[in-house]
Amino acid sequence: QEQLVESGGGVVQPGRSLRLSCAASGFTFSSYGMHWVRQAPGKGLEWLAVIWSDGSNIYYGDSVKGRFSISRDNSGNTLYLQMDRLRVEDTAFYYCARSVDFGAGTCDYWGQGALVTVSS
Amino acid sequence: DIQMTQSPSSLSASVGDSVTITCRASQSISDYLNWYQKKPGKAPNLLIHDASSLQSGVPSRFSGSGSGTDFTLTISSLQPEDFATYYCQQSYSIPYTFGQGTKLEIK
Repeated sequence: QEQLVESGGGVVQPGRSLRLSCAASGFTFSSYGMHWVRQAPGKGLEWLAVIWSDGSNIYYGDSVKGRFSISRDNSGNTLYLQMDRLRVEDTAFYYCARSVDFGAGTCDYWGQGALVTVSS
Repeated sequence: DIQMTQSPSSLSASVGDSVTITCRASQSISDYLNWYQKKPGKAPNLLIHDASSLQSGVPSRFSGSGSGTDFTLTISSLQPEDFATYYCQQSYSIPYTFGQGTKLEIK
């Protein structure tokens, strides 16, 4: 069955970098767009980024544009989120999610999340 | 960016009740509206896509309606497992914004 597993979370100081990974299994990864969504403690869901199934199109939310970078390795069935110049307000659970289509906004499968804590 | 506004922010109900949550978009999004359920420590779960289409495996007590700017999620005959936070999301244009959430609590 379809499965997404995030890894790479942890505690990092402000201004530093971290890279999250999302390992996909149980479906043809290269056929689906992928998203990153986060939820800060006590807050709602925030959409961060999408990458098309073939990587041809990439888009970001305003809060992470220029600092975060989404990428994918279709041969390794893995999605990535490179997070640079991290801020305290980036502390959150980060979820990867599968798009129902090449880059559509609807997400039908989600990982369990990776916690990123930005603190000095 | 399209703003999504949910109401109410929270509500209390009893098992067996029927509840309705509303979501309003800042501009027309046709039927590009999704509803997700989120429980603490769990991944979000897609309930409704395209405003009114029930996602596979989701109980039929969940239903969605609306188009343009105004949408509703109705849960009939509430079950104990339905107490959670619900989010609408527009998939009309990037950024794919979420509403602020509606927390459904047991009365």
